[in-house]
Amino acid sequence: AQSVTQPDIHITVSEGASLELRCNYSYGATPYLFWYVQSPGQGLQLLLKYFSGDTLVQGIKGFEAEFKRSQSSFNLRKPSVHWSDAAEYFCAVGASGTYKYIFGTGTRLKVLA
Amino acid sequence: DAGVIQSPRHEVTEMGQEVTLRCKPISGHDYLFWYRQTMMRGLELLIYFNNNVPIDDSGMPEDRFSAKMPNASFSTLKIQPSEPRDSAVYFCASRGQGANQPQHFGDGTRLSIL
Repeated sequence: AQSVTQPDIHITVSEGASLELRCNYSYGATPYLFWYVQSPGQGLQLLLKYFSGDTLVQGIKGFEAEFKRSQSSFNLRKPSVHWSDAAEYFCAVGASGTYKYIFGTGTRLKVLA
Repeated sequence: DAGVIQSPRHEVTEMGQEVTLRCKPISGHDYLFWYRQTMMRGLELLIYFNNNVPIDDSGMPEDRFSAKMPNASFSTLKIQPSEPRDSAVYFCASRGQGANQPQHFGDGTRLSIL
């Protein structure tokens, strides 16, 4: 069965520090992978997506993610975090032939000034 | 372009009352999804439509929940009768045709059942 695991429930980083949020998926074929961000009181906003091709994808707000098939991972990174990046981040997997996404449980990011 | 529009943003009502949540998807999108988000269960897919037809309602928790999409620009999620455990944030999302199209979310309706 498809599944998505975000092992870190909470992460705290200092402003200006680098960030990596982990995402592991379970799916037999090549998945479609997404990262969304949710600010308080808001809906989910798409940061980036991977379907095929280059395994390093660039997104909005300076985020990037790397698809590693051998590790079944799609980790989100940002070289220098800003206070406005404090939010909850969700990884999701969708698969060809289905229009449903499986969402991870989210990682809540706190940024220290 | 306007995004997915949900109304109301907040709803507070007493248990036993009927609740109707509304969603206007992005124009031209063929798929519409209803999700529920709670601290305990995270983000759950309730139902989704393709071209106004319900495709998968396996996530609808009980018969008290129903969803309709009378046309391409409007959908409702109804709870009747409502119960306190229905309190959650309900999101609507839409996407275009093609497997590689992402879902776009509305800002949600925060529902509190007293």
